Amino acid sequence: GENVEQHPSTLSVQEGDSAVIKCTYSDSASNYFPWYKQELGKGPQLIIDIRSNVGEKKDQRIAVTLNKTAKHFSLHITETQPEDSAVYFCAASMDTGRRALTFGSGTRLQVQP
Amino acid sequence: KAGVTQTPRYLIKTRGQQVTLSCSPISGHRSVSWYQQTPGQGLQFLFEYFSETQRNKGNFPGRFSGRQFSNSRSEMNVSTLELGDSALYLCASSFGGPNYGYTFGSGTRLTVV
Repeated sequence: GENVEQHPSTLSVQEGDSAVIKCTYSDSASNYFPWYKQELGKGPQLIIDIRSNVGEKKDQRIAVTLNKTAKHFSLHITETQPEDSAVYFCAASMDTGRRALTFGSGTRLQVQP
Repeated sequence: KAGVTQTPRYLIKTRGQQVTLSCSPISGHRSVSWYQQTPGQGLQFLFEYFSETQRNKGNFPGRFSGRQFSNSRSEMNVSTLELGDSALYLCASSFGGPNYGYTFGSGTRLTVV
């Protein structure tokens, strides 16, 4: 089955700096890669996703890049703010209606004011 | 619009008992998935239902079961509870086809004592 590795497990940055979280996956059949943000006491919130026919996707301060050949994808957050502090999860699956997401182990991002 | 609603939010059960958790998806969403979140194993896929049919199942023992009703609401049941079943159980809903992301609820925190 699919295996997703995520690094780093913790990341501390100063407000205004950029943050990068990286994930690798094992199953070449995977073609859907979402990123989730989870705040304390809440469920994961989808913040951005990318499909394998696209190499990069941006949404304001957030961007995701995908390298299918190397089987890795990354989340980039620019101009970080204290409210970006949370645990971030990457995931991978086949992009069908019956997808079962395989999650990475999570990255705890702390943005220091 | 209302999000994914999970009830109850917290639950304490004794080993050997059984438990039923409930999930009401976003209106119009026909796919409901369940995930288990623990500090040790992270987020793991349990099963996915679409139009009252289980379409996908994760690698969990048969003590874990679920169902979906005609109004898309879903329940999951865990029988003969073990201490290791203590976890946050998350429900996610989607329209059910490709190109749609999942929206998670806030989860049910189950503690087995």
